[in-house]
Amino acid sequence: GAVVSQHPSRVICKSGTSVKIECRSLDFQATTMFWYRQFPKQSLMLMATSNEGSKATYEQGVEKDKFLINHASLTLSTLTVTSAHPEDSSFYICSARTGLGGRVNQPQHFGDGTRLSIL
Amino acid sequence: GQNIDQPTEMTATEGAIVQINCTYQTSGFNGLFWYQQHAGEAPTFLSYNVLDGLEEKGRFSSFLSRSKGYSYLLLKELQMKDSASYLCAVTGGYNKLIFGAGTRLAVHP
Repeated sequence: GAVVSQHPSRVICKSGTSVKIECRSLDFQATTMFWYRQFPKQSLMLMATSNEGSKATYEQGVEKDKFLINHASLTLSTLTVTSAHPEDSSFYICSARTGLGGRVNQPQHFGDGTRLSIL
Repeated sequence: GQNIDQPTEMTATEGAIVQINCTYQTSGFNGLFWYQQHAGEAPTFLSYNVLDGLEEKGRFSSFLSRSKGYSYLLLKELQMKDSASYLCAVTGGYNKLIFGAGTRLAVHP
């Protein structure tokens, strides 16, 4: 149980392109999903917290107009990197947590990640 | 502020035991997680501690001391496939997970 699917797994595109990444919880409802970014040999950095039916909460320093997050249902959240540039190249990972009501002692389950390369 | 420290790299021999330490300082604490991450892959959940003491799960055990802001992950009977990064993460305020930089473990024959 607790499977999170992330798609696509790899994207290579030209500078200026917008890229959409999908994160789905396959066998549970996720009221909260999280989006992380990870640079080589560094830890996961939380970008934003996505709550179903409401606006995402962005971490300090993350441009909300550049990284658009939509969480339209209990099983799907999307991250759109708008007008991507080479410095946006990174490993983007989503996670989802089981349990309704915001229980904090449920582990986050991660998608397989999306490796984004902007040429 | 929030700060999580763990060693950058460790090496160990196949069949041995290794302990990976993690110290943390957070505003608010709702539990500590350990994740394993192989290169180029997403993290996978290993363990969760919210009360003081040792949690054992097969070859892996995790310990927590809340008063000391300290945890460790113990890996027994090391296998080559255990070569990976091990991430310590703390649930602080607003239900967010704050990750340490990770410890890269290399297991040698």
